[in-house]
Amino acid sequence: EVQLVESGGGLVQPGGSLRLSCAASGFTFSNYWMNWVRQAPGKGLEWVANIKQDGSEKYYVDSVKGRFSISRDNAKNSLYLQMSSLRADDTAIFHCAVTWGMPGGFDIWGQGTMVTVSS
Amino acid sequence: DIQMTQSPSTLSASVGDRVTITCRASQSISSWLAWYQQKPGKVPELLIYKATSVKSGVPSRFSGSGSGTEFTLTISSLQPGDLATYYCQQYNSYPRTFGQGTKVEIK
Repeated sequence: EVQLVESGGGLVQPGGSLRLSCAASGFTFSNYWMNWVRQAPGKGLEWVANIKQDGSEKYYVDSVKGRFSISRDNAKNSLYLQMSSLRADDTAIFHCAVTWGMPGGFDIWGQGTMVTVSS
Repeated sequence: DIQMTQSPSTLSASVGDRVTITCRASQSISSWLAWYQQKPGKVPELLIYKATSVKSGVPSRFSGSGSGTEFTLTISSLQPGDLATYYCQQYNSYPRTFGQGTKVEIK
């Protein structure tokens, strides 16, 4: 079964840091671009970042550039999101997602991990 | 950045109604558009990719059309289980962007 499982969320103070992880299973992780998508409570979806199969290309939404860093470890089938200088408006559920079986769109999503930025 | 604008933001329809949701892109995205369904408390699910291709396993009442800047998602006969928020998303360029969502309610 193709599966993505996120971890690492929690409560952090404004200005703090957090590292999210996404463990992939059921598919050849190293063959796919991987993405992070977030959803603030009661709000819509926002794509955050993605990373190429070998980590050589990375893209970010403007609001996180310079604060978030996406990475991956293909040997561990894992995706990461290092977040720093966190702000209240970063509070959201963070999902990892992949375009796996379809030639477009994110067809596999993890359940997400909640990040709460509050003092 | 490409802005994706959905209309309406909310719609209320009866079981069996034909429902249409529109998504407009601020510039051409060819056919690089996906539609998602997010039921309350659940993770989004892909319905449509490349504007018109229905993902395997998605009920045939869901269809997508359009290209360039204007797209539609149609539910041919609304069912109670279609209560959800629907999002469009472009994957023509970075950053990937989603529409703000259309909440579908059942009358």
